Amino acid sequence: GNSVTQMEGPVTLSEEAFLTINCTYTATGYPSLFWYVQYPGEGLQLLLKATKADDKGSNKGFEATYRKETTSFHLEKGSVQVSDSAVYFCALSVYMDAGNMLTFGGGTRLMVKP
Amino acid sequence: DAGITQSPRHKVTETGTPVTLRCHQTENHRYMYWYRQDPGHGLRLIHYSYGVKDTDKGEVSDGYSVSRSKTEDFLLTLESATSSQTSVYFCAISEVGSKTQYFGPGTRLLVL
Repeated sequence: GNSVTQMEGPVTLSEEAFLTINCTYTATGYPSLFWYVQYPGEGLQLLLKATKADDKGSNKGFEATYRKETTSFHLEKGSVQVSDSAVYFCALSVYMDAGNMLTFGGGTRLMVKP
Repeated sequence: DAGITQSPRHKVTETGTPVTLRCHQTENHRYMYWYRQDPGHGLRLIHYSYGVKDTDKGEVSDGYSVSRSKTEDFLLTLESATSSQTSVYFCAISEVGSKTQYFGPGTRLLVL
C-alpha cells in the first residue's frame, strides 16, 4: 500500500535558521507529492507540489524536489521566520477509479523562536 | 481560497447521541472527502464522494456514514457517537483532472 513517513517533531529553530523536514514515501504507480501547512486553529493549506520525478515545487521561500531514486520529498527553507511556525504535512496522491486519493504523513510541528 | 465551509465549527456531545457534520462548497467540484485528524496520525480518510449519491468508504469508515444529495453538500453522520470519535474533522474538495485537494476550516468534535 501507499505510505508517507516524515520526521517527528517538534522542530525548534531560531529565526533565520535553515529548515529541513524529511519526507519519504512508498507508493505503487507514479504519485504526485505535496506539502500542506496547517497554522494554529486553521485547516490545511497547500504549500507546494510536484507531479513527476525531478520536479521542484516552491512557494513562499519553501522548496521540495521530487526524488524518485530515494523516494523522498524533503521540505527546505533557507531562512525561517516566526510566522512559519505551524504543522507541516507531507502527502502523496495516486489516481484511483474514484479520483485522486491523498495519503498523509503524521505531520511535523515547527516552532520558530525570535 | 476555495469556497468550503464546515458546520458546526465546534461541537460537544455525549456518547450514544447522533451527530451530523456538514460540508458546503461553492466551487461545483465533483469530488468531496471527509478526513479525521488525530495526533501522530496525520489525516485519515473516512469517506469520499465522486458525485451526487456516489460515495465510498475510506481507511477509517467504521461508525460513520455519509450522504450527498446535492453537488455542494456532503454530510458526515456519526450514528451513535463514541469517545474514540473525538477528533478534528476536515472536509476537502477536488476537481476532475486535478491532483490537488482543498480543505475546509475543520470541525472540532468532543464526545464525552
